[in-house]
Amino acid sequence: DIQMTQSPSTLSASVGDRVTITCRASQTISSWLAWYQQKPGKAPKLLIYKASSLESGVPSRFSGSGSGTEFTLTISSLQPDDFATYYCQQYNGYWTFGQGTKVEI
Amino acid sequence: QVQLVESGGGVVQPGRSLRLSCAASEFIFSSYAMHWVRQAPGKGLEWVAVVSHDGNNKHYADSVKGRFTISRDNSKNTLYLQMNSLRTEDTALYYCARVLIYYETHDAFDIWGQGTMVTVSS
Repeated sequence: DIQMTQSPSTLSASVGDRVTITCRASQTISSWLAWYQQKPGKAPKLLIYKASSLESGVPSRFSGSGSGTEFTLTISSLQPDDFATYYCQQYNGYWTFGQGTKVEI
Repeated sequence: QVQLVESGGGVVQPGRSLRLSCAASEFIFSSYAMHWVRQAPGKGLEWVAVVSHDGNNKHYADSVKGRFTISRDNSKNTLYLQMNSLRTEDTALYYCARVLIYYETHDAFDIWGQGTMVTVSS
C-alpha cells in the first residue's frame, strides 16, 4: 500500500502569510495527487488535482506542485476563510489520504 | 445542482449489519465511478470502497474487505454500501463521493455528500 505523510500536522499562521504544506508518498505516484480542504462539520472540498491543476472555482492563491514522491500545497496569501484542515490524497494505486494538516491562527 | 445525499446511518451493535445509501442528482450518475470514504470522530479521511461506472469493477480497503459490499443501481441513481459484521472501529461519518472525470475510476473526488454517521456500540 502507498502511504502518504503530510507535514506539518499543525501550522500556526496569520492572515496574509504564505503557507506551504508538504506531502510525501512512500513510492512514486507520478502526478496522481489531489489536495482537499475540510472545515469542521463539512465535507472535504477538492482544491487541486493531478498535483497542480486548480479545480474550477478555487481561488488562484492556492497552488500545487511536485511529482514522483514529493508534493506541496501553497497558499500565497492566507485569508480568514482558509483556516481549515488540508489533506493530500494519492490515486495512483488505490486511494490513500495523508493524515491532515490543520492550519490555525 | 449536482448533489449527493447519504442516508441509512445509525447506532448498531457489534456484529450486526447496516446498509447505507447515496442518492445522486443533477448529473449522469451512470457515467461516473463512485466511492465511499469514512472519517472516524476527530480523525482523518479513510478510503473505503469504489465501484466503476457500470458496476462491474469493485475494490475495497483491507480494513473492510470481506465485510462490506459496494453496489449501485444506475436506474435509481443510487449508490449503496452494505456493511456486515460491524466492529466498533467502523464507527465513523461515511461520505459518498464522485470522481472528477466520467468513465475514469482512478481519479480525484470532486463531489461529496454531507455524510451519514454510523456508530457501532453495545
